[in-house]
Order: sequence, then structure tokens, then C-alpha cells
Amino acid sequence: QVQLVQSGAEVKKPGASVKVSCKASEYTFTDYYIQWVRQAPGQGLEWMGWINPNNGGTNYAQKFPGRVTMTRDTSISTAYLELSRLTSDDTAIYYCARYRGGSYRFDLWGQGTLVTVSS
Amino acid sequence: QSALTQPRSVSGSPGQSVTISCTGTSSDVGGYNYVSWYHHHPGKAPKLMIYDVSKRPSGVPDRFSGSKSGNTASLTISGLQVEDEADYYCCSYAGSWLFGGGTKLTVL
Repeated sequence: QVQLVQSGAEVKKPGASVKVSCKASEYTFTDYYIQWVRQAPGQGLEWMGWINPNNGGTNYAQKFPGRVTMTRDTSISTAYLELSRLTSDDTAIYYCARYRGGSYRFDLWGQGTLVTVSS
Repeated sequence: QSALTQPRSVSGSPGQSVTISCTGTSSDVGGYNYVSWYHHHPGKAPKLMIYDVSKRPSGVPDRFSGSKSGNTASLTISGLQVEDEADYYCCSYAGSWLFGGGTKLTVL
């Protein structure tokens, strides 16, 4: 079954970092970018950036200067989002989504990972 | 860049039609024909319903249609069904990607 499966919920303290994974199944991982989108409680969706699994190229939203790192491990078809210097404003559900370059649509989404930042 | 503007909620009865608007600017919605719409049940993965303003992915019923006029895109759902009840988000390419704040559709 073509799907993206994300890692489980995390609870972190302010100032810490979190790393969320997104494993692709039943399609060629390097044929599609992985985009990351988050949804804070009661808020809409917010784009965070993308990684090209083929070459590791990345593009991050300007809102997260120096705090976001997106990586991938092609041997296990998995993309990662790491967010550092967490604050309570980073409490959100984080989604990965598949994107074919030039298609301008996110055609497959993961189930989401809840990250809670609390002291 | 600010999020795209959607109504917080819309409602309709089974069999009726509803339209959800998504207003941006000439730098996003109005500047590109790359508006997409996503259906989202909280706790589940969002699902692509419309892309490139008005195209439907395979498997999406033709009850769902999209359009755009100027800086406002719209999603119309005709023949409402109970299972259509969900949150709907618009998204526009704008050099990066902007999403709307989401619209909760209630099927009465």
C-alpha cells in the first residue's frame, strides 16, 4: 500500500530538539520530494519546507531560521524533520506529504505526529 | 506572507451544494493556477481533493469541483453527503506554499 508512516508522539521541554520520521512505502522514494507541514492547536496548516530525497536538497520556510533541518536516509526510504530550540509555540501536529516536483500538489500525506512542548 | 482567508465554517443539508472560498492576493492565488484543496478529518491524514484550481485526482467524486476568479479560489461540493463533513484547506503556490486557515463543513 502506498503510504507515508510517521513516528509516534513526542513530549519535549522548552529549548530541546525533536526529530520526526516519515517512512515511505510502496513507491520509489527518490521520485518525490517530501514536504513538511504543521498544524498548531486550533490553527490552520503551515508549510515548513521540503527535502528532495534524490539529492538531499532542501528549502526551508523563512519562519524557522536555523531551527529546521530536513534529512533523509534513502536506504530505508525515510525522511526526517528536526526542529531545535523548541518553544510552546511549536506544539503542533507535524505532517509529511509527498510532492512530485513541478506538480504543485501534495498527493499523499502521513498520519501526523503530535509534538508537545511543555515544561 | 499571510495565510489565505477561508470562512471558519459552512454548513448544508444532505443533497445540497456548498461553496468554500479561499481569498489571497495577486502574489499567490491570483498569480498562479496552482491552488489545491485538502479534506481533513482531525487525527487522520489530509487528502488531496482538487489541484491546479479545478482538476480532480482519480478517485475523487465529480461532486467536488474547483474554480478561481481573480484572487479568490472556490471549492464547491454538490450533492452533499454526511461523509463530506470535515475540515477543508486551500493551498496556493506562491514561490513557497501558503495554506488557508481551514473551513469546517457541517452536514446537517
